[in-house]
Amino acid sequence: DSGVTQTPKHLITATGQRVTLRCSPRSGDLSVYWYQQSLDQGLQFLIQYYNGEERAKGNILERFSAQQFPDLHSELNLSSLELGDSALYFCASSVRTSGGTNEQFFGPGTRLTVL
Amino acid sequence: QQPVQSPQAVILREGEDAVINCSSSKALYSVHWYRQKHGEAPIFLMILLKGGEQKGHDKISASFNEKKQQSSLYLTASQLSYSGTYFCGTESSGGSYIPTFGRGTSLIVHP
Repeated sequence: DSGVTQTPKHLITATGQRVTLRCSPRSGDLSVYWYQQSLDQGLQFLIQYYNGEERAKGNILERFSAQQFPDLHSELNLSSLELGDSALYFCASSVRTSGGTNEQFFGPGTRLTVL
Repeated sequence: QQPVQSPQAVILREGEDAVINCSSSKALYSVHWYRQKHGEAPIFLMILLKGGEQKGHDKISASFNEKKQQSSLYLTASQLSYSGTYFCGTESSGGSYIPTFGRGTSLIVHP
């Protein structure tokens, strides 16, 4: 158990709908990262928040948005869903190592199925 | 830019050794290695920083050749529990400290 929690575990919805995925980082971690993992793809970085502020953006579609709240939990909002959005969505939090890089701890993921 | 992992898949018998490679076209600051079981979260294995340091964890070790922008993960005397998909994540020098992950190498260990 990494200490990162994500809800819900599974989500099944229809095209055109909107969903919200929730993540709580490990206690004390200020950073939250969102990743998308589709079949045959690696982990695609979407967006990072640090202490409530957007820190970095990756391959995140305009239909997707995220925010981090004062209690440090984060939500990823996916709208106008398409079949191709079906994927595993992971949240991670991180701790800075002595070498200046970030060790990431992944949550269990939310499996989104768009029908 | 996404690092390239090779091979795409490895099938072994218990006790055999395996090597998984990760290469990048960019100058690297660090390489991360993770293992993921099907449908589960990736689990951190190790981070290597530039300097050519080799790290080990039980019978899994890795090296990082910053001049060649490559890293290799060595699995010695494979156990059934080693089965899964291995991802490398690379951070570029002067980058944002967010690893870019490769597509993964599937490792299957048979009894």
